[in-house]
Amino acid sequence: EDKVVQSPLSLVVHEGDTVTLNCSYEVTNFRSLLWYKQEKKAPTFLFMLTSSGIEKKSGRLSSILDKKELFSILNITATQTGDSAVYLCAVPSYNTDKLIFGTGTRLQVFP
Amino acid sequence: EAGVAQSPRYKIIEKRQSVAFWCNPISGHATLYWYQQILGQGPKLLIQFQNNGVVDDSQLPKDRFSAERLKGVDSTLKIQPAKLEDSAVYLCASSLDQGWGYGYTFGSGTRLTVV
Repeated sequence: EDKVVQSPLSLVVHEGDTVTLNCSYEVTNFRSLLWYKQEKKAPTFLFMLTSSGIEKKSGRLSSILDKKELFSILNITATQTGDSAVYLCAVPSYNTDKLIFGTGTRLQVFP
Repeated sequence: EAGVAQSPRYKIIEKRQSVAFWCNPISGHATLYWYQQILGQGPKLLIQFQNNGVVDDSQLPKDRFSAERLKGVDSTLKIQPAKLEDSAVYLCASSLDQGWGYGYTFGSGTRLTVV
């Protein structure tokens, strides 16, 4: 059965700290891994990763995939209070386009 | 482009009552999804439509949940009768076509509370 596991479940940091969020997966016929940020209700897209070792970067956020070890990390440097959210990791299942989500990591950034 | 529209934004009902949610996807998006997100969990797919046909409804509790997508555009999800454990955010998403998960756009969701 396809599975996505995220850790930690929750993280509390101060502004300026750097955080690393983890996502491991098991899926038949891997195609991609996606990261989303969920602040209120709608998840918003951050990154899609398909190749090992190639870092995707957007401002203070970056992500990398290790297809051999079946995991991905999301790094946020110099965190700000606006980074407070739930970060979701997902993979599309083998024979449909449905996304299998992890439980998410709740990040709280305090001033 | 306009996003995925959902209504209502919030709904509070008593158990055993019925409720319906509406979703209008992005124009031209053939694939429409309904996800259920229980507090503290990631979203879980309930049903996936490709145009007006069902692709996957394996996790839809069919004794109480139903969904339709007439004319391959907007969609309604109904719960009848509701149970306490149906309290969740119901997210609608659409994508241009089936692929690698890229191109999903989520609506802002409906938060259902069953009391």
